[in-house]
Amino acid sequence: GAVVSQHPSWVICKSGTSVKIECRSLDFQATTMFWYRQFPKQSLMLMATSNEGSKATYEQGVEKDKFLINHASLTLSTLTVTSAHPEDSSFYICSALTGQRNSPLHFGNGTRLTVT
Amino acid sequence: AQKVTQAQTEISVVEKEDVTLDCVYETRDTTYYLFWYKQPPSGELVFLIRRNSFDEQNEISGRYSWNFQKSTSSFNFTITASQVVDSAVYFCALFSYNTDKLIFGTGTRLQVFP
Repeated sequence: GAVVSQHPSWVICKSGTSVKIECRSLDFQATTMFWYRQFPKQSLMLMATSNEGSKATYEQGVEKDKFLINHASLTLSTLTVTSAHPEDSSFYICSALTGQRNSPLHFGNGTRLTVT
Repeated sequence: AQKVTQAQTEISVVEKEDVTLDCVYETRDTTYYLFWYKQPPSGELVFLIRRNSFDEQNEISGRYSWNFQKSTSSFNFTITASQVVDSAVYFCALFSYNTDKLIFGTGTRLQVFP
């Protein structure tokens, strides 16, 4: 079945640095990927929709200059948290549209980001 | 606008009890999918079921069953004879082909005590 690989699974970084998270579709091409953020004990909130070859579409309230999304190929989307602050500490999870109507979405295993 | 409501924030049961998790959704779309996911403490999302808007048949998979009723916009999830390993947060979600977005409910934290 369709698999989405997300890397790293966890990362600790210092305040002010940038962190890149990768989301890969391993056995299918994903023209569209989604990035979600989940704070402790809260739901998954859609941050942005990443489209291959074009600019990402950000949800209201998400800073596009802080959360840089690049979808340069049909199998890879990256989320870069720039100038990270402790309040950016969260669980980030990506999903990919498969294009198959009977199995439309698959999720990565998530990345736990801790900013110290 | 699309919305998913999971009114139960937390549920606690004793092992072997049956438990039903409620999910109510709102959408103007005629074509959509509904999902249930399980999120254990490790964080990954475990896919449980997908149901499309044209298929109102209820489904049973082992101890899990789902009741989809378009008339009440509900997609409830029942665990029969719950086990400690069922303890997790469960999310109901709505996917629309018009928006190509998956929207999650707020989740229900289920604790099953031995």
